[in-house]
Amino acid sequence: RKEVEQDPGPFNVPEGATVAFNCTYSNSASQSFFWYRQDCRKEPKLLMSVYSSGNEDGRFTAQLNRASQYISLLIRDSKLSDSATYLCVVNIYNAGNNRKLIWGLGTSLAVNP
Amino acid sequence: NAGVTQTPKFRVLKTGQSMTLLCAQDMNHEYMYWYRQDPGMGLRLIHYSVGEGTTAKGEVPDGYNVSRLKKQNFLLGLESAAPSQTSVYFCASSSGLAGGVDTQYFGPGTRLTVL
Repeated sequence: RKEVEQDPGPFNVPEGATVAFNCTYSNSASQSFFWYRQDCRKEPKLLMSVYSSGNEDGRFTAQLNRASQYISLLIRDSKLSDSATYLCVVNIYNAGNNRKLIWGLGTSLAVNP
Repeated sequence: NAGVTQTPKFRVLKTGQSMTLLCAQDMNHEYMYWYRQDPGMGLRLIHYSVGEGTTAKGEVPDGYNVSRLKKQNFLLGLESAAPSQTSVYFCASSSGLAGGVDTQYFGPGTRLTVL
């Protein structure tokens, strides 16, 4: 099992739709979680961190479920500009207290007019 | 404030040639990283640095060397390029204030093809 797994998609949704992505992680020692966004042929950019209690930033809501070891990203009222690949990132600390960031392969979203 | 810049943006090499990729950041960040991104493989960490004069191996360091002589610059070297090193290379930096668990800011990438 991969350390971080995402459904690659693509998710094709109409403008205004609500869409949700999940990301599962295998290491229960995972400490921090992030969603990055990557546009085609561009660099990744931080979308939002994921906090234990869940957090919201405008149309975007991130949730963490430690018991089931997954994080989710919900996008409400999708815009054409939301079309991108969404990367799940998990930070773990190993036995030597060394930090390691694990990047998912990403979920592709296409918002259609 | 340019953020993170990378030079060059594109490069084609022949097998066995060498080259250096330059990354510069103007945010006074302590941590800097070199990643490669390949289809179906995602972002993989090559080397990283937690401060001027320091470097450490990441997940896929073989065939690459790095140097961090100045805080704002992080160089990635390929001594003898191989076709397997054809990839998109991203440099990133972070403040390091949260022990590395903080936002990473990426450069625009370098698209390298090795023939």
